[in-house]
Amino acid sequence: AQTVTQSQPEMSVQEAETVTLSCTYDTSESDYYLFWYKQPPSRQMILVIRQEAYKQQNATENRFSVNFQKAAKSFSLKISDSQLGDAAMYFCAYRSAYFGNEKLTFGTGTRLTIIP
Amino acid sequence: SAVISQKPSRDICQRGTSLTIQCQVDSQVTMMFWYRQQPGQSLTLIATANQGSEATYESGFVIDKFPISRPNLTFSTLTVSNMSPEDSSIYLCSVGDIATEAFFGQGTRLTVV
Repeated sequence: AQTVTQSQPEMSVQEAETVTLSCTYDTSESDYYLFWYKQPPSRQMILVIRQEAYKQQNATENRFSVNFQKAAKSFSLKISDSQLGDAAMYFCAYRSAYFGNEKLTFGTGTRLTIIP
Repeated sequence: SAVISQKPSRDICQRGTSLTIQCQVDSQVTMMFWYRQQPGQSLTLIATANQGSEATYESGFVIDKFPISRPNLTFSTLTVSNMSPEDSSIYLCSVGDIATEAFFGQGTRLTVV
């Protein structure tokens, strides 16, 4: 079974600064997807960024980028130029790439606070 | 992408009663997933719902407590039966296949009193 670990229950960052959220995972599979989801107080789960395990290049979406280290099973999220709207719970999630196993396994989450 | 409409968005229920949550998707999907998010916690998968077959439940979740229906490829319901205060959580439905991200409904906040 796969597990996802987020070791930072809470993080805070000054507005306009950069913050990195950590995530490690454990799997015996060679092909999979990793995700970062954001959950603001509205409860809506919003995809921030997605990484395919077979791709060496780290995914980037505007101010959000990841540092994917497959051998170390590490998948951290970097948020640059932090904005007040980035305040939310952030969940790291794993999904197998094999048919029939499409469920998501989530980490425990990191609550990000943005300091004005 | 997929747009998911989940109802109700919130409810307050008496213990011992049941609540049925509906999830409607704007396109046909093979698999739908139901997650529970207890207060301050992460999301835990309850079950996977395939159209035309029985739902597959994760360890710790049983059909008698969380019956699921999947009558067609765009709709599913989750019932929380014989509720107790411990069932107070956010319940989310989700869809997604191997090639795409997972899309979520807006969640149902359930409070059992």
